Amino acid sequence: EAQVTQNPRYLITVTGKKLTVTCSQNMNHEYMSWYRQDPGLGLRQIYYSMNVEVTDKGDVPEGYKVSRKEKRNFPLILESPSPNQTSLYFCASSPTWGRDVYSNQPQHFGDGTRLSIL
Amino acid sequence: SQKIEQNSEALNIQEGKTATLTCNYTNYSPAYLQWYRQDPGRGPVFLLLIRENEKEKRKERLKVTFDTTLKQSLFHITASQPADSATYLCALEGRNDMRFGAGTRLTVKP
Repeated sequence: EAQVTQNPRYLITVTGKKLTVTCSQNMNHEYMSWYRQDPGLGLRQIYYSMNVEVTDKGDVPEGYKVSRKEKRNFPLILESPSPNQTSLYFCASSPTWGRDVYSNQPQHFGDGTRLSIL
Repeated sequence: SQKIEQNSEALNIQEGKTATLTCNYTNYSPAYLQWYRQDPGRGPVFLLLIRENEKEKRKERLKVTFDTTLKQSLFHITASQPADSATYLCALEGRNDMRFGAGTRLTVKP
């Protein structure tokens, strides 16, 4: 089954304790992305990756790191989490990325990771 | 700055009626626009894509229109059912990402 898998689904932790949220896709997609979702603000992009070893900042990258060593995996790292990073996080992937008007690039989302930083 | 606005945070309608959700955008010239459905505790799921040269797209009970002059997309669900209750997100492509509206929470009452 084609899917994007995130782990953990839920995590409660304390300020300053490094954590990693894993994301894996089995669709051989080139493009992967991390979003956070907060009430009233919608989905905001944290980081994205066009392909292996190619990553770039999204709208809200402060306090986060990512890596893309393999095509299928795109972990999100919080080196020193703070309470303002309490949120619902989604990983997404799509086959490629482009503005081609004839391309169809729906994103496939994981089921989310709810992080609470105390 | 670029902005995507969905008309209301919540919409309540009676079963069998047509639900109409609005997505307005400013400072964009999108090549296409997408609509997603999100259920509580789940990730968004892609529903429909409409391109800038298309006025209307249909899929079963769903219909999307795209007016690049008004900078607006309308999303219709005809013969709505309680199972259609969810949050619906519109999305436009940015430079290297999709930009999402905050969503409209639709509740269909039996």
